[in-house]
Order: sequence, then C-alpha cells, then structure tokens
Amino acid sequence: QQQVKQSPQSLIVQKGGISIINCAYENTAFDYFPWYQQFPGKGPALLIAIRPDVSEKKEGRFTISFNKSAKQFSLHIMDSQPGDSATYFCAASGISNFGNEKLTFGTGTRLTIIP
Amino acid sequence: EPEVTQTPSHQVTQMGQEVILRCVPISNHLYFYWYRQILGQKVEFLVSFYNNEISEKSEIFDDQFSVERPDGSNFTLKIRSTKLEDSAMYFCASSEAFLAGLYNEQFFGPGTRLTVL
Repeated sequence: QQQVKQSPQSLIVQKGGISIINCAYENTAFDYFPWYQQFPGKGPALLIAIRPDVSEKKEGRFTISFNKSAKQFSLHIMDSQPGDSATYFCAASGISNFGNEKLTFGTGTRLTIIP
Repeated sequence: EPEVTQTPSHQVTQMGQEVILRCVPISNHLYFYWYRQILGQKVEFLVSFYNNEISEKSEIFDDQFSVERPDGSNFTLKIRSTKLEDSAMYFCASSEAFLAGLYNEQFFGPGTRLTVL
C-alpha cells in the first residue's frame, strides 16, 4: 500500500516534443506529490510538486496533472530540450502535525531528449 | 546557494567492516534524513532524525545501522558490519523548520557510493 508505481522505465523524445511520465499510488494518506530530477552523479532535486486539492500545477515547461479519484499523477515536459535528459522520480508523502513524513519514491524514468 | 554535502563520494569496504558516511546538512535545517538507492532501483527511505532522535525508520534500518549528529554541523550514518547487499548510493537530505500542515522541501546531497566487497 506504500508503493508508488512509475512508468515508463525509459523514454526517448525528440527535441521540442512532449515528455509524459506517469505515476500511480495506493495509499490515500499521501498528501504531497513531488517530482524529482536527477542528473548523473548528483542527488535528486525537487522539480515541481502538487497537493491533491488542485488538479494541475504548471511551472514553466513542467506541468503536473493530478487525478485524485484514480490515484494517478503525471509529469508533462513541454518543448523538451536536451538539457532535460535526466532521471525523473515521482514521489509521495504524508503531512502530519509532527513533521515531514518520509518520501516514497517511484522507480524512476530515464528520459533522453534527442536532437 | 546552500547545499547538502556528503563525504566521501565513494567508499569501498570489505564485508563485515564498519563504515561511517558523513553529511553536512544545510545550516538552518532541523530535519535530517538518509535514503539509499541500490543500482538501478528506486530511492528508499532509511531514517529521519529531529531534535537529536530518530523520528521514523524503515524496515531496512535494522540494528546494524545508527545515526548521529555528533556536533552542530555533521550528520552521520554508521553501518556496523557491512554486508554485500549494503552496496548502494546513500543520500543525505535535510529540510528546514517545520510548519504544521505544510510540506518542507527535502534537499538532497550528491550521495556516497558504498561498495562492499
């Protein structure tokens, strides 16, 4: 019930195209859904995050779509660029009155943007 | 920009040996975490630490693991007797003061690659 399932495992998109990565969760106690971007040799870095009270959040070329009833959320990267080539992790967490709860990560998607 | 730092970047050890992985969290942060990522797999939570005690730990964090904040800047993960399956990338993370009902971003370090032979 704690799992976050992520697909696809790898994705190749042409420059200028739309990259779409999907995640699904089971635990209805999750209340915060971030996406992390990881470049080789670096730690994960927060890209964009959403709370379940909204269905979409957009920051620049990055958009999270959230479907609470289906327990699914997705990352859309518009006008994908070679610099977006990285591994992307979705994650989920609860929020309590006692402190941050742990992040539960998806399995990751290796995105490659080709010219 | 403040960042989480970790040392060493790569640690090679023999099975059964003790290792200590070190982290310097962002200076005004109060919550500290360790995660690990076995090669090709997802990032997994190990432990969270606040106010000099463990807040939460996962099933992975057994008696072989311990964490400590020995001074005002360092946060360490000790593995007492390493096993082959402990080989992984270990990430330290930190987040700032907690505000009830809000999620505070966890900032990750670059990781320490632990190889157990």
